[in-house]
Amino acid sequence: DIQMTQSPSSLSASVGDRVTITCRASQSISSYLNWYQQKPGKAPKLLIYAASSLQSGVPSRFSGSGSGTDFTLTISSLQPEDFATYYCQQSYSTRFTFGPGTKVDIK
Amino acid sequence: EVQLVESGGGLVQPGRSLRLSCAASGFTFDDYAMHWVRQAPGKGLEWVSGISWNSGSIGYADSVKGRFTISRDNAKNSLYLQMNSLRAEDTALYYCAKDIGIEGLRLTYFDYWGQGTLVTVSS
Repeated sequence: DIQMTQSPSSLSASVGDRVTITCRASQSISSYLNWYQQKPGKAPKLLIYAASSLQSGVPSRFSGSGSGTDFTLTISSLQPEDFATYYCQQSYSTRFTFGPGTKVDIK
Repeated sequence: EVQLVESGGGLVQPGRSLRLSCAASGFTFDDYAMHWVRQAPGKGLEWVSGISWNSGSIGYADSVKGRFTISRDNAKNSLYLQMNSLRAEDTALYYCAKDIGIEGLRLTYFDYWGQGTLVTVSS
């Protein structure tokens, strides 16, 4: 199975900060990488698909980039509602795998 | 409005069985693949199983293969997960998720999720 890692595992940031989360795949997955946001007690929400495509309704401060094995999720100016856990997911192989998550909390 | 409502969770003893259901509405159910994803308490997300629009393609995580069976009834707009030989490590919140495509077992993503149903395996 393709293994996904994320860094950092957690970070503290302030409103207005630029935040970058990294996701790495154990083998090339082309651009088949998705990002989800999950708030406590809620279901995951799709943010970015195919590495860099913004899901409808998601604010433009979220962006994704990368291909092959290395990917990033960037929040250009962190807002109060962005404090959450972020997961990457590969869909290159039939057995989808998620990264372990990055928790973004308030500094 | 797309809605996915899971049910069927509960407390079950190790080795027993449980059947989860997911009722879908707000979209043409048989136009999309569907998935089950679980989350153990305080842990991350784990894809469990996926099924194509016509049940022609099915996939399972290694951790559940041979014990869990995914199925769907397009006439009832419903997705199911039959879970047999349950183990303590199957304890999790089980989410139903809609795929963006019809086949759904690769090169895709999940655009809608239910709120989950909790399965607790304990004696």
